[in-house]
Amino acid sequence: DAGVTQSPTHLIKTRGQHVTLRCSPISGHKSVSWYQQVLGQGPQFIFQYYEKEERGRGNFPDRFSARQFPNYSSELNVNALLLGDSALYLCASSLGRASYEQYFGPGTRLTVT
Amino acid sequence: GQQVMQIPQYQHVQEGEDFTTYCNSSTTLSNIQWYKQRPGGHPVFLIQLVKSGEVKKQKRLTFQFGEAKKNSSLHITATQTTDVGTYFCAGPAGNNRKLIWGLGTSLAVNP
Repeated sequence: DAGVTQSPTHLIKTRGQHVTLRCSPISGHKSVSWYQQVLGQGPQFIFQYYEKEERGRGNFPDRFSARQFPNYSSELNVNALLLGDSALYLCASSLGRASYEQYFGPGTRLTVT
Repeated sequence: GQQVMQIPQYQHVQEGEDFTTYCNSSTTLSNIQWYKQRPGGHPVFLIQLVKSGEVKKQKRLTFQFGEAKKNSSLHITATQTTDVGTYFCAGPAGNNRKLIWGLGTSLAVNP
């Protein structure tokens, strides 16, 4: 079985632009969580979606939004990019709620210039 | 808000030495999870502890969950160069709607 997949792997954007990141969970997993990881720090929780509904939200501005599709894949959207949004964006899938073990994709490295 | 703290932040050992990282939560946790992230990689799930006082072993790795379910430790016996990476602990927030992560302990192993 394929693991969690994310696209694109790398992305360079300029300030003010918009970005869409994509994630496909492990087959059978209905929950997708998004994390932001800045170099040298632990993952910071952004969103969790389960059964296509938002179940959890971290302390991120409204510029960050996400959605989950009927096939359980997910998109993370970030508007009006700032330099500080440069980070590794990780998607993790799990069987259920955020308390379940998370299986991570390889991440999308976003650089904002 | 709820916090998870890890110490030490960095640890440098000679191959063959033991290594321990400690995780402390500001609140009682329903479970604690441990992940390993290799340089340039993504976090990989290692184990989940649920019961008070639980101890689990994976080869040279020993994981413990404190009696009060507020702290945990990961001990590696006789480190190898393949153990290099950052070890994170994470616990669910009180409402189980997100995982709170520690800052991680970065382990470097000299061959």
